[in-house]
Amino acid sequence: GDSVTQMEGPVTLSEEAFLTINCTYTATGYPSLFWYVQYPGEGLQLLLKATKADDKGSNKGFEATYRKETTSFHLEKGSVQVSDSAVYFCALRKDFTGGGNKLTFGTGTQLKVEL
Amino acid sequence: DGGITQSPKYLFRKEGQNVTLSCEQNLNHDAMYWYRQDPGQGLRLIYYSQIVNDFQKGDIAEGYSVSREKKESFPLTVTSAQKNPTAFYLCASSIKANTGELFFGEGSRLTVL
Repeated sequence: GDSVTQMEGPVTLSEEAFLTINCTYTATGYPSLFWYVQYPGEGLQLLLKATKADDKGSNKGFEATYRKETTSFHLEKGSVQVSDSAVYFCALRKDFTGGGNKLTFGTGTQLKVEL
Repeated sequence: DGGITQSPKYLFRKEGQNVTLSCEQNLNHDAMYWYRQDPGQGLRLIYYSQIVNDFQKGDIAEGYSVSREKKESFPLTVTSAQKNPTAFYLCASSIKANTGELFFGEGSRLTVL
């Protein structure tokens, strides 16, 4: 079945450091890919998405490129801030017969940014 | 403001008791979902509903039940048949059933004593 694999955390960085959180997926066909962020005590929020190969999603300084050849969707940010401390989830979506919107999530990667 | 409201935020239950988690949305979304979040396991889909009076099982529906009598409401009942109910439960909605952007509530943490 479909699956999403993320790097294990926690990832601890100093403010202004470069961030990469790796995400790879296993799925047939052409899924859409997403990054969600969960701040402490809150629900998940959509951070960015890409719906086809070579698309780049971007938001709030974060970027991720849909790489079909490597089945990857790594999240990057050039300069992290303390306020970026959160848990980041990679997810994929495939339409399935009969409609519906079913996301498969990775296990999440906790990011801690220190001054 | 539009959004998804889950209640209660924290809930304690004794073994053998059923408990119902509330989820209300005022986004006018057609589709609603329940996910379970466990440490190290990400989110797993319990049930989803594409329209009123219709719902389907997700990947881990056993021991759970739902109803969708109104568009804005999708309550989840955790029954005594659920073997390991202690978890963080997240409700979500999307404007239509075939769009990938989910909007999430803040979650309900259930602890079985």
